Amino acid sequence: NAGVTQTPKFQVLKTGQSMTLQCAQDMNHEYMSWYRQDPGMGLRLIHYSVGAGITDQGEVPNGYNVSRSTTEDFPLRLLSAAPSQTSVYFCASSLTLAYGYTFGSGTRLTVV
Amino acid sequence: GNSVTQMEGPVTLSEEAFLTINCTYTATGYPSLFWYVQYPGEGLQLLLKATKADDKGSNKGFEATYRKETTSFHLEKGSVQVSDSAVYFCALLSNAGGTSYGKLTFGQGTILTVHP
Repeated sequence: NAGVTQTPKFQVLKTGQSMTLQCAQDMNHEYMSWYRQDPGMGLRLIHYSVGAGITDQGEVPNGYNVSRSTTEDFPLRLLSAAPSQTSVYFCASSLTLAYGYTFGSGTRLTVV
Repeated sequence: GNSVTQMEGPVTLSEEAFLTINCTYTATGYPSLFWYVQYPGEGLQLLLKATKADDKGSNKGFEATYRKETTSFHLEKGSVQVSDSAVYFCALLSNAGGTSYGKLTFGQGTILTVHP
């Protein structure tokens, strides 16, 4: 049982490049979310999913795409990286909402 | 929409001091409330939770009580240790229907530093 696994841990991109941040969980959790963490702003929800095939936008979805083809995986795609997307990204999952979310260890992304 | 407000930080205490970090919220319905802790360089860990009014969540000496009348969920610890130095986040999880369902909303976080 590995919990929530995020890859890569660190990434540097050039402006305009695209990439996918991977998130996988082996706990059969239906709920999954992506957050970004910026200094002084807490965590802000980017996209989330309540099950395979179902996704919804969060607070800051622009510039990001997601898909949920399986229960286990919830990748986050940056379409054309911008310096404003420099941040730490966290993926989280939950079996039932009463238990809250389990977080991955994060991906630190720098866009230059 | 839903929102969470935490006390301004950073908070600096001496070891064995009493800790309070204030948290208030705005939400429709009856959300679940959480405190998460983030140690340097790590992800967030669930510290404690409460799912209904007057519930008290507790873990590792930390406590918080869900107060619906004051829409608050203040975190307390009677005697902090150096190892408690971390960032603490208050969060709410909406159980009401609509666009907020299942979404976790965070406060801005409070940095706690405990000195020996």
